[in-house]
Amino acid sequence: GAGVSQSPRYKVAKRGQDVALRCDPISGHVSLFWYQQALGQGPEFLTYFQNEAQLDKSGLPSDRFFAERPEGSVSTLKIQRTQQEDSAVYLCASRRGGAYEQYFGPGTRLTVT
Amino acid sequence: AQSVTQLGSHVSVSEGALVLLRCNYSSSVPPYLFWYVQYPNQGLQLLLKYTTGATLVKGINGFEAEFKKSETSFHLTKPSAHMSDAAEYFCAVSHFTGGGNKLTFGTGTQLKVEL
Repeated sequence: GAGVSQSPRYKVAKRGQDVALRCDPISGHVSLFWYQQALGQGPEFLTYFQNEAQLDKSGLPSDRFFAERPEGSVSTLKIQRTQQEDSAVYLCASRRGGAYEQYFGPGTRLTVT
Repeated sequence: AQSVTQLGSHVSVSEGALVLLRCNYSSSVPPYLFWYVQYPNQGLQLLLKYTTGATLVKGINGFEAEFKKSETSFHLTKPSAHMSDAAEYFCAVSHFTGGGNKLTFGTGTQLKVEL
């Protein structure tokens, strides 16, 4: 594809519900990142995959957050038992091997009511 | 640990005037530096990057930035602002870790361009 795509673009969840956010990286990009962007803030790192291996999950805020990339392409970020503080834009980025720059998707805006 | 400070959360310039967005970083190892732009309800678009070599880097849409190690700065400039430059700009730093090179972002600067 031409760029990183994310779905859904907008998600409203009631507190306590589980949500799943999808990321389709640029074809052939081995590295995939998830970031969380709170309102008025810069993105903050959540987790990183190289192919299907999750090599860094140091930014996941709690054990309610879980990410996977089982076939080394599409990734899903799952949030269990959502809380109001989870409301944010979730950005996915991918990077090809050997490159420095990351390419970002449009994000999923999650609102927890 | 690495960090980024963007001075001025809001900057306003007149159309045709110089744009200067400030970024200072902290990194204990040689940094890779980036500027991204974000338009409303969109993701981040890479403007330019510094990795090694020439310290003055040119990017898209007429923007450029200069890496100054002695000042730990990477300020973004554009000689003449255009209305379409109105957006939020993020400075980011990473470094080689052998396992990801995750980005650390500043809090962003909202650029307003006035007629």
